[in-house]
Amino acid sequence: IVLTQSPATLSLSPGERATLSCRASQSVGNFLAWYQQKPGQAPRLLIYDASNRAAGIPARFSGSGSGTDFTLTISSLEPEDFAVYYCQQRSDWLRKTFGQGTKVEIK
Amino acid sequence: EVLLVESGGGLVQPGGSLRLSCAASGFTFSSYEMSWVRQAPGKGLEWVSYISDSGTFTYNADSVKGRFTISRDNAKNSLYLEMNSLRAEDTAVYYCARDRLAYFDHWGQGILVTVSS
Repeated sequence: IVLTQSPATLSLSPGERATLSCRASQSVGNFLAWYQQKPGQAPRLLIYDASNRAAGIPARFSGSGSGTDFTLTISSLEPEDFAVYYCQQRSDWLRKTFGQGTKVEIK
Repeated sequence: EVLLVESGGGLVQPGGSLRLSCAASGFTFSSYEMSWVRQAPGKGLEWVSYISDSGTFTYNADSVKGRFTISRDNAKNSLYLEMNSLRAEDTAVYYCARDRLAYFDHWGQGILVTVSS
């Protein structure tokens, strides 16, 4: 299953709303997660099963969607939110795949 | 606190072998599935290998099938990745990750493997 993320880069200012998209090549139900990765760090799980926040994740992060189209929304960007975001599907759990990433950069 | 610490990376020649280790602490290791995920320099994430909690079931990505072997020692709270017939395209940071319902809820800091002559 191929996951396509858009846009590749999102240039926004602190306080703005960020909307990231992930599209699957076939339905993955709601079996989709989102991760955040900062430079030099390991990824961190943000959202699982499309809309459930992982432990300790702030409420400004929310996920939505099902089937083939998913969205990660950051309601109001904090300075620490500028990073690369990846989606990942587990519908085909033996062949987990990631999207290519969306970089959220400071405008 | 969940902690995963990788070791064993480094520079290896094409065709060579390397064994990565991951020491786990802060959770009941034997109760969790585990995976290795890699990231080539400047690139995205690629799932590589999976092992069940007991170690009886394993599965590899097509890109490493027949060359990499995942294993674990629950008595030692350790995960391993034996990598053979290494290629330049295997150059990456390798992450050990706790695999919870096929999502990765905790990650190690990563270890760099460089395949080059």
